[in-house]
Amino acid sequence: ETGVTQSPTHLIKTRGQQVTLRCSSQSGHNTVSWYQQALGQGPQFIFQYYREEENGRGNFPPRFSGLQFPNYSSELNVNALELDDSALYLCASSFLNREETQYFGPGTRLLVL
Amino acid sequence: ILNVEQSPQSLHVQEGDSTNFTCSFPSSNFYALHWYRWETAKSPEALFVMTLNGDEKKKGRISATLNTKEGYSYLYIKGSQPEDSATYLCAFNSDYKLSFGAGTTVTVRA
Repeated sequence: ETGVTQSPTHLIKTRGQQVTLRCSSQSGHNTVSWYQQALGQGPQFIFQYYREEENGRGNFPPRFSGLQFPNYSSELNVNALELDDSALYLCASSFLNREETQYFGPGTRLLVL
Repeated sequence: ILNVEQSPQSLHVQEGDSTNFTCSFPSSNFYALHWYRWETAKSPEALFVMTLNGDEKKKGRISATLNTKEGYSYLYIKGSQPEDSATYLCAFNSDYKLSFGAGTTVTVRA
């Protein structure tokens, strides 16, 4: 086990709704990264948070937003859900270092109808 | 967008046989190459972080090599067992984010 937890495990929403996904990082880690995995693809980087500030963002629209809290846990918020947002959302915790392993949670499966 | 390619997409191996598969990545701005094993309904499990050209890493029956100049890494499984069945992902680290390939799904037949 990685020590990274995510909630909820599954979620069903309808188009236009908003969703919040949560991630608790491994003890001692100060960085959380979020990824989206669509069917048949590798995980795609959404953004990374380091000490409560966004530290980099992938090619995702502004309706994808995040937060990191003082205890280094994190939230991913998605507004105005679209059908294509249906995917597995993974978070990973680490130290801020390119050579450090990122430890993944089990993911949240989001279905948008 | 960084192009990380993995081949083959899937493979079937007889129990006891050895196998290997490839990850190719851009050879510029390289910092690290990560390998993960991902079993269904579980978290991706970190196998290796490789940083130096010529690196070889080993964990039990699984090993990996790295060629940063030509931009590829091989992952080897020796004497495959049913518990090796999983999707193996490689990820290229050129900044703080990981750029993943689509994975190689290995099925070990008893």
